[in-house]
Amino acid sequence: GAGVSQSPSNKVTEKGKDVELRCDPISGHTALYWYRQSLGQGLEFLIYFQGNSAPDKSGLPSDRFSAERTGGSVSTLTIQRTQQEDSAVYLCASSPPLLYGYTFGSGTRLTVV
Amino acid sequence: DAKTTQPPSMDCAEGRAANLPCNHSTISGNEYVYWYRQIHSQGPQYIIHGLKNNETNEMASLIITEDRKSSTLILPHATLRDTAVYYCIVSSPLTSGGSYIPTFGRGTSLIVHP
Repeated sequence: GAGVSQSPSNKVTEKGKDVELRCDPISGHTALYWYRQSLGQGLEFLIYFQGNSAPDKSGLPSDRFSAERTGGSVSTLTIQRTQQEDSAVYLCASSPPLLYGYTFGSGTRLTVV
Repeated sequence: DAKTTQPPSMDCAEGRAANLPCNHSTISGNEYVYWYRQIHSQGPQYIIHGLKNNETNEMASLIITEDRKSSTLILPHATLRDTAVYYCIVSSPLTSGGSYIPTFGRGTSLIVHP
């Protein structure tokens, strides 16, 4: 596709359940980022993938959060045992290997009830 | 922590120029200045970037001071649709095998009024 695709666009889940969020980056973009944005807040970095290198997981808030990127393309962010404070918009962005701006998806709005 | 400082909010009259400032006093030699904006309920959208020369595209102009410690994003004729949060970030080039994590601060909430 022409842009970064994220699914689902909205997800409501019960506290304690696991959720998976998907990001399909622009073809050929080697860098992929996950951010989250709570209501009225800025973007909080979560994890970064660059090509075949080990991901930078320094932004993951707890061990309930994990992410993988298969074949250098699609990425899945998994949140286990969701808590209410996990409610936020989860944004994915990708970038080509050289200097260009990052392209963001429209995000997944996660609501934990 | 964000490497940039922006005013939390600004307003502008429709049709007038909107000048959004950003301080990045600790910018390093290979870091570029990027601007993004985020319209409510959407992901951030790339606007423009530059290294040291002023840049212009169909969306905006970017003025970078000679010492590169600050910059200004200019929307020459603001419209109501330009109401958004504007983020200024600094980032080094991504090269194969390299890495950089852009840090977004709170940005500037620009309100364009009739």
